[in-house]
Amino acid sequence: GGIITQTPKFLIGQEGQKLTLKCQQNFNHDTMYWYRQDSGKGLRLIYYSITENDLQKGDLSEGYDASREKKSSFSLTVTSAQKNEMAVFLCASSIWQYEQYFGPGTRLTVL
Amino acid sequence: GEQVEQLPSILRVQEGSSASINCSYEDSASNYFPWYKQEPGENPKLIIDIRSNMERKQIQELIVLLDKKAKRFSLHITDTQPGDSAMYFCAASENNAGAKLTFGGGTRLTVRP
Repeated sequence: GGIITQTPKFLIGQEGQKLTLKCQQNFNHDTMYWYRQDSGKGLRLIYYSITENDLQKGDLSEGYDASREKKSSFSLTVTSAQKNEMAVFLCASSIWQYEQYFGPGTRLTVL
Repeated sequence: GEQVEQLPSILRVQEGSSASINCSYEDSASNYFPWYKQEPGENPKLIIDIRSNMERKQIQELIVLLDKKAKRFSLHITDTQPGDSAMYFCAASENNAGAKLTFGGGTRLTVRP
């Protein structure tokens, strides 16, 4: 079996700060995703990547950048953190239109 | 893009009874409909899925139904147990969208002993 690792687990930032979240997977999956989950709510797609060096915008891409450095890693940047922002960012990977495997999440708090 | 509506947002049932969650989608090109379960503090996990060439699929106590004409699909949990208490998310995907999933807003299911 494989595993998805997200770092950091907790991220505390200041308003206006640029923050980077990292995700690694060893499933050898082609497709990777970044989702945002607000407390008690659904998952909203920020960016996804079909293969290395590919980048596709999701429904919530404004205010974020992403980078697929290599097949196993996908990073997400919050370009300017918003005050009082709190959410969990979930990374996932899959083989095309099959099961998505999720990481444990990065919990963001902006002071 | 695709939009998925999920109802109800909160569902409370008695242990041993059935629970039903309904989802609707807009894009008739969507052809893959997974369901994910998320327990408190955990990440979402796939529990069952259905593709557009099927109308019904069952895995143990989980039944999914798909009505392509009405653009609706549903999850039915028979004989619910307290361990079924969790958040449930439906999703829809169109193959040509590069495996992009659009999730519903979620249903918080509580099974009372």
